[in-house]
Amino acid sequence: DQQVKQNSPSLSVQEGRISILNCDYTNSMFDYFLWYKKYPAEGPTFLISISSIKDKNEDGRFTVFLNKSAKHLSLHIVPSQPGDSAVYFCAASGAGGTSYGKLTFGQGTILTVHP
Amino acid sequence: KAGVTQTPRYLIKTRGQQVTLSCSPISGHRSVSWYQQTPGQGLQFLFEYFSETQRNKGNFPGRFSGRQFSNSRSEMNVSTLELGDSALYLCASSLEGTPHTFFGPGTRLTVL
Repeated sequence: DQQVKQNSPSLSVQEGRISILNCDYTNSMFDYFLWYKKYPAEGPTFLISISSIKDKNEDGRFTVFLNKSAKHLSLHIVPSQPGDSAVYFCAASGAGGTSYGKLTFGQGTILTVHP
Repeated sequence: KAGVTQTPRYLIKTRGQQVTLSCSPISGHRSVSWYQQTPGQGLQFLFEYFSETQRNKGNFPGRFSGRQFSNSRSEMNVSTLELGDSALYLCASSLEGTPHTFFGPGTRLTVL
């Protein structure tokens, strides 16, 4: 029962272009969504998050969009840089308090940015 | 501020043995959680501790256990190791009341 899904195992983008990574979820109790970047043999690095009461959050080159009715979120990276090449994970947590400590992850998308 | 630290970084054990992994959270973070990453199953939640009490638990067998100390440091233990326990074990910490979770570098466990 995969509650968070990243249906694209990989994405290849040219440097300077936009990268769009997608994530779908099934559990309507999820209240907070996060994106992480991960290199092999390292822990995930937090990138950006969004609360379910918002539909967009921006931080520099990274923007996350949330469509609650479709249970879909996406991460936009503009412009993409070769250093962005990594595995990107979408994660979700339940509503507040004691639920924040448990994240449910998607399977990840390998992003490759070509110079 | 120092990040989440984990020791050891690499471990090799044989089937049937037990193992203990350690984690020191970011200073001030009282919530510590553990995750297992394998190629087949991805990143899966093991358990979360807060104020020395297990607060959330994932779907792992009882061979996987953990504890948290009064200084928020945490350990996880896996008994009777199986080949399938080979994985990257990640510790994470967060401030109470926020979902922003920060991960350590992980412990790579290989079971032979």
